[in-house]
Amino acid sequence: QLQLQESGPGLVRPSETLALTCSVSGGSISSRTEYWAWIRQPPGKGLECIGRVYYTGTSFYDPALKSRVTTSVDTSKNQFFLRLSSVTAADTAVYYCARLNDLLPGKTFDVWGQGKMVTVSS
Amino acid sequence: SSELTQDPAVSVALGQTVTITCQGDSLRNYYGSWYQQKPGQAPQLLIYGQDRRPSGIPDRFSASTSRDTTSLTITGAQAEDEADYYCNSRDSSENYHVIFGGGTKLTVL
Repeated sequence: QLQLQESGPGLVRPSETLALTCSVSGGSISSRTEYWAWIRQPPGKGLECIGRVYYTGTSFYDPALKSRVTTSVDTSKNQFFLRLSSVTAADTAVYYCARLNDLLPGKTFDVWGQGKMVTVSS
Repeated sequence: SSELTQDPAVSVALGQTVTITCQGDSLRNYYGSWYQQKPGQAPQLLIYGQDRRPSGIPDRFSASTSRDTTSLTITGAQAEDEADYYCNSRDSSENYHVIFGGGTKLTVL
């Protein structure tokens, strides 16, 4: 059974870079039919897809965040990563990693991590 | 980019049927998916495609799509169905972007 687990600092200072890791277990990140995504949820608000990455490193980002976001993968460690630069308080959120299964219709996230709360504050 | 619109809040009496809607231009051409999120938990996939449920999702949850709207129906709502519900789909204007609706908070009375 595929499981995802986010890790990284829970506190980031304004103007610095938020960096998170998602560790994948119970399956391979090198699957040709899956993308690996980052989704965030500010406190009391809805879900926002930040971006997703393919095992080759090809990435797609939310147009509003594109200038600050980088996603990448390490297939040898079965991990993928998020970097969000120049953070402000507006980037405070629970960050989820998730699998986007391209075998399913639509853009369907069928496996989610438990989420990592990241607070931007000095 | 395009948007998906959901009613912020809906309520249903225990055991009754409720429909939660999600409206957006992208749904005219692309399937939507539905997720359930309970407090303090990660979202969980509920429905995808035309009306398909992952293993373990009760059959009281169903979905349908008409024109630019996808609807999630809960037939015989249970107390444990009280949660936030989100739809998502592909952005019709940004080719590879994925969008979510704003979410609907369901209260079971």
